[in-house]
Amino acid sequence: DSGVTQTPKHLITATGQRVTLRCSPRSGDLSVYWYQQSLDQGLQFLIQYYNGEERAKGNILERFSAQQFPDLHSELNLSSLELGDSALYFCASASGGGFNEQFFGPGTRLTVL
Amino acid sequence: GQQLNQSPQSMFIQEGEDVSMNCTSSSIFNTWLWYKQDPGEGPVLLIALYKAGELTSNGRLTAQFGTTRKDSFLNISASIPSDVGIYFCAGHLSGAGSYQLTFGKGTKLSVIP
Repeated sequence: DSGVTQTPKHLITATGQRVTLRCSPRSGDLSVYWYQQSLDQGLQFLIQYYNGEERAKGNILERFSAQQFPDLHSELNLSSLELGDSALYFCASASGGGFNEQFFGPGTRLTVL
Repeated sequence: GQQLNQSPQSMFIQEGEDVSMNCTSSSIFNTWLWYKQDPGEGPVLLIALYKAGELTSNGRLTAQFGTTRKDSFLNISASIPSDVGIYFCAGHLSGAGSYQLTFGKGTKLSVIP
């Protein structure tokens, strides 16, 4: 158990819909990273938050957004969902804002029908 | 952008055999990490390497940071059934605003009892 929690575990929705994925980092960690894992693309970095502020952006679509709240949990919002958005979404947490070893949560499996 | 080539893509080995896998990059990295992912779970950090030439062990696992800083190797000795999973390498290049990891596409390991 990495200490990172993610909810829900599974999510099934339809194209065009909007969903919110939630992540709680390990106790004491200030950074949260979001990744998308699909069969053909592997693990792709989406975005990082550090202590409530956006720190780095990767291959995140404009339809996707994230935020980190004062209690340090983070939410990833995915809107106007397309079939191709079906994937595993992981969050990882780390202690600092610079580079630190990242510890991953169990993931949310999103299926868009 | 940075790309990591991880090989082999998959391996089938007999229990008790040693395993080697590697990762090469088109760019240099300052840090290499190796993760293992079990089905339905998030990646778990196995070994972190911070210096070119560094050799680090974690039980039956040994990883090396290549001297060119463009590659890394992971060896598993005397494999057992619970070694089954997908092994990912990840690299990080320090620099302003660069906190994310770049992941390889994974090596899927199957162990035949």
